[in-house]
Amino acid sequence: QQQVKQSPQSLIVQKGGISIINCAYENTAFDYFPWYQQFPGKGPALLIAIRPDVSEKKEGRFTISFNKSAKQFSLHIMDSQPGDSATYFCAAITGNQFYFGTGTSLTVIP
Amino acid sequence: SQTIHQWPATLVQPVGSPLSLECTVEGTSNPNLYWYRQAAGRGLQLLFYSVGIGQISSEVPQNLSASRPQDRQFILSSKKLLLSDSGFYLCAWSMLAGFYNEQFFGPGTRLTVL
Repeated sequence: QQQVKQSPQSLIVQKGGISIINCAYENTAFDYFPWYQQFPGKGPALLIAIRPDVSEKKEGRFTISFNKSAKQFSLHIMDSQPGDSATYFCAAITGNQFYFGTGTSLTVIP
Repeated sequence: SQTIHQWPATLVQPVGSPLSLECTVEGTSNPNLYWYRQAAGRGLQLLFYSVGIGQISSEVPQNLSASRPQDRQFILSSKKLLLSDSGFYLCAWSMLAGFYNEQFFGPGTRLTVL
């Protein structure tokens, strides 16, 4: 059973637009929610993370929105750039247990 | 600062040959270590994780094995590779202690089994 459900599988956005990737979970024991960015042929790199006691976290053009009651969180990429084209993974963590979403392939068209 | 190394970066092996992939972490002690496999265009499949020397947990039964001979060294092995073992292998580390316990990934090894 997939512990973290991620959507969409792929996303195409025009340069300057907003990219939105969504994740949902069921286990209320999760207490940390990072997002990773992976370029082709590279390992995933930590992008931004949030704890469930915060509803939003922003770092530059990247924002995580967290809805604890709905058990959903999302990544927003403002002013999307071609250099943002990559695969994005959400994750949920409790203790030593890490669960990753299935990934979203983002393509930003110039 | 902490760094994680993997080698080799790429590997082409015939079916039935052995495999040894190595991962080392610098700048931290007693990390949790993980091996993942990623098929082309797919998500991350956890293969093994280790919370200490000689302690290995397997998530997926298969012809792969893992060992942790030293605190910051994690090795993925196989006695006989299958075609289905092809993929991108990622090593990662994390620290349970502390406020932030994200996983940090290495650069990966691209394995092609022919």
